[in-house]
Amino acid sequence: AQSVTQLDSQVPVFEEAPVELRCNYSSSVSVYLFWYVQYPNQGLQLLLKYLSGSTLVKGINGFEAEFNKSQTSFHLRKPSVHISDTAEYFCAVSSNTGTASKLTFGTGTRLQVTL
Amino acid sequence: GAVVSQHPSWVICKSGTSVKIECRSLDFQATTMFWYRQFPKQSLMLMATSNEGSKATYEQGVEKDKFLINHASLTLSTLTVTSAHPEDSSFYICSAPPGASGRARGGELFFGEGSRLTVL
Repeated sequence: AQSVTQLDSQVPVFEEAPVELRCNYSSSVSVYLFWYVQYPNQGLQLLLKYLSGSTLVKGINGFEAEFNKSQTSFHLRKPSVHISDTAEYFCAVSSNTGTASKLTFGTGTRLQVTL
Repeated sequence: GAVVSQHPSWVICKSGTSVKIECRSLDFQATTMFWYRQFPKQSLMLMATSNEGSKATYEQGVEKDKFLINHASLTLSTLTVTSAHPEDSSFYICSAPPGASGRARGGELFFGEGSRLTVL
């Protein structure tokens, strides 16, 4: 079994400020990690993913995340946010067993960017 | 990139009626699709795994007779909410791993735009 914890339900930040959205996971097997973004009334869009290799992963829209195995974390960061980054962000984990993968999602973090 | 499309985006129905939601993979074949349900300001909860040519696999607590899933082709899965009631009102999202084998590239999924169901 695996689980994902996003401790911050909401993160308010001013435009052009840096932001970090926290994600911790638990799993008894090796995992793949993802960050998805959801804009209002829309589906999910992949921001970035960690499969293997370099622990620092760069994604779209200037986001990046760092996989820390010892701390079982996969925090999402952006050095300077924009108003358009306002959205719901979901961290997810997959163990990729069987013929198709199941994703387990965290409860989401609402990023609210203001002027 | 791979595209998954859902229809309808919005649907309002009367209590007791049935509603069908379609999920299509537009530029790839999907032997497996996943159906999620999302309540307001909450995370996505996996409802069932739709398998082409065979029965769907439902998660614990999901009523099979309430949420009928049909995966008749490699590009189409449908979710039918039968005898809908107000408590079935929710945002339903489908997803699919790219690739006909159903094995995702490292577990990545492509998501549809979602379908918002409101039952009056």
